Amino acid sequence: QSVLTQPPSASGTPGQRVTISCSGRSSNIGSNTVNWYQQLPGTAPKLLMYNNNQRPSGVPDRFSGSKSGTSASLAISGLQSEDEADYYCAAWDDSLNGYVFGTGTKVTVL
Amino acid sequence: QVQLVESGGGLVKPGGSLTLSCAASGFTFSNYYMNWVRQAPGKGLEWVSYISTSSTYTNYADSVKGRFAISRDDAKKSLYLHMSSLRAEDTAVYYCARDYGTATMSDWGQGTTVTVSS
Repeated sequence: QSVLTQPPSASGTPGQRVTISCSGRSSNIGSNTVNWYQQLPGTAPKLLMYNNNQRPSGVPDRFSGSKSGTSASLAISGLQSEDEADYYCAAWDDSLNGYVFGTGTKVTVL
Repeated sequence: QVQLVESGGGLVKPGGSLTLSCAASGFTFSNYYMNWVRQAPGKGLEWVSYISTSSTYTNYADSVKGRFAISRDDAKKSLYLHMSSLRAEDTAVYYCARDYGTATMSDWGQGTTVTVSS
C-alpha cells in the first residue's frame, strides 16, 4: 500500500522541463529526507536522487529534487528520450517504522 | 563494483513456502542494513522488510508481518527472505537492496520472480 501520492503520468517533448510531485505526511516526508528512483522498462529500480536533492555519481544534472513540508518534487530539465521511465519517490515513515514508496509516475517523451 | 544477485523464486501453491536468497559482493556486506522490496505485475514498488547490521533489528510491512522472516549470514555475504503461508497477492518480482544510510537504497539486484498460484 503506497503512502506517498504521485501523479500517474507526466509527459513532455524533447528539451522540455517536466516536474513530478510527491505528497506525504508529517510522519514520512515531513520528518525525513526523500529519495527518488528511476525504473527503466524491464529493469530494476535505480537510485536517482537522495537526501532530497543529492545526485549519485553518474546522474545527469538535468535531474533536480526539492522538498518543502510534507511534499517533494523531481524536475527533469532538457527532457531526453532515455528519460522515459517510471519514477518513484520514497521516504522513511516514523509511524510505520518502515520505508514507503510513492504510487509512481510514468514519464513519456512525446 | 557492488553486485546483488537474487535467487530462489518460482511457482508455489497458495499456503506454501519459499525462501529467497540474495548474494552480495563488491562491498563489506556486514556493514550495511539490507532490504527486500517487491513489485507485483504492472504495479508499483512495495517495501517488504529490512534487517540491520548484526541482525539486531528487523521490521516488516503489515502485508507480510507474521508470514515472512528476513535473515542474513554475514560470513556468506547473503540475505534471505523466508516466506510462508503464501497468497496470490504475494506474486511479484522480489528485489534485494542495500541501504546506504538514511533509508536510501543505493543498490538493487535484478530481482527474482515469485508466482503464487494453484
